[in-house]
Amino acid sequence: GQQVMQIPQYQHVQEGEDFTTYCNSSTTLSNIQWYKQRPGGHPVFLIQLVKSGEVKKQKRLTFQFGEAKKNSSLHITATQTTDVGTYFCAASGYALNFGKGTSLLVTP
Amino acid sequence: NAGVTQTPKFQVLKTGQSMTLQCAQDMNHEYMSWYRQDPGMGLRLIHYSVGAGITDQGEVPNGYNVSRSTTEDFPLRLLSAAPSQTSVYFCASTRRNLDEQFFGPGTRLTVL
Repeated sequence: GQQVMQIPQYQHVQEGEDFTTYCNSSTTLSNIQWYKQRPGGHPVFLIQLVKSGEVKKQKRLTFQFGEAKKNSSLHITATQTTDVGTYFCAASGYALNFGKGTSLLVTP
Repeated sequence: NAGVTQTPKFQVLKTGQSMTLQCAQDMNHEYMSWYRQDPGMGLRLIHYSVGAGITDQGEVPNGYNVSRSTTEDFPLRLLSAAPSQTSVYFCASTRRNLDEQFFGPGTRLTVL
């Protein structure tokens, strides 16, 4: 299946700082999905990107899909303690091929 | 709608025991999947199904069996539990290929 690599593995920020996680694939992706998992919880769908160069925003979250459809990023502006959790990118098909995730810790 | 439900929430097994993790969804989704989550490894696909009677292997299928006799249910069977199967197991469903997936709350399994 399609392999997706995600960096960084961990990120610790002060509340109010920005945060970015990156997702890379060696092959062209048909689309990419982003999920958030709170500690002790289950993954919850955030967004799907389909088009080359696509940019989507959800309040303080900005998602990008690369022009070659081989990379994607999630940027959070002015983090809050509610942003704590692990963010996963996933190449989608019949099932999902997940990156290993970026765990975000936000200190007040 | 209850969404995706999983039972049990917690389970402790001894090596060699067998058990079935239950997963059900009430959204009439065709596609269902099982993942395991281990620290630092993300979520890895065990088995998936694209409809009743159709299943296929994912990345880490060894030691697990599945069947899909109805659209609603997708149980995961551990044939002979091993400590390496200690993990958190998530079931997910989706309406169609390339659509968002809905996850159950997970089953935390410990094999001693």
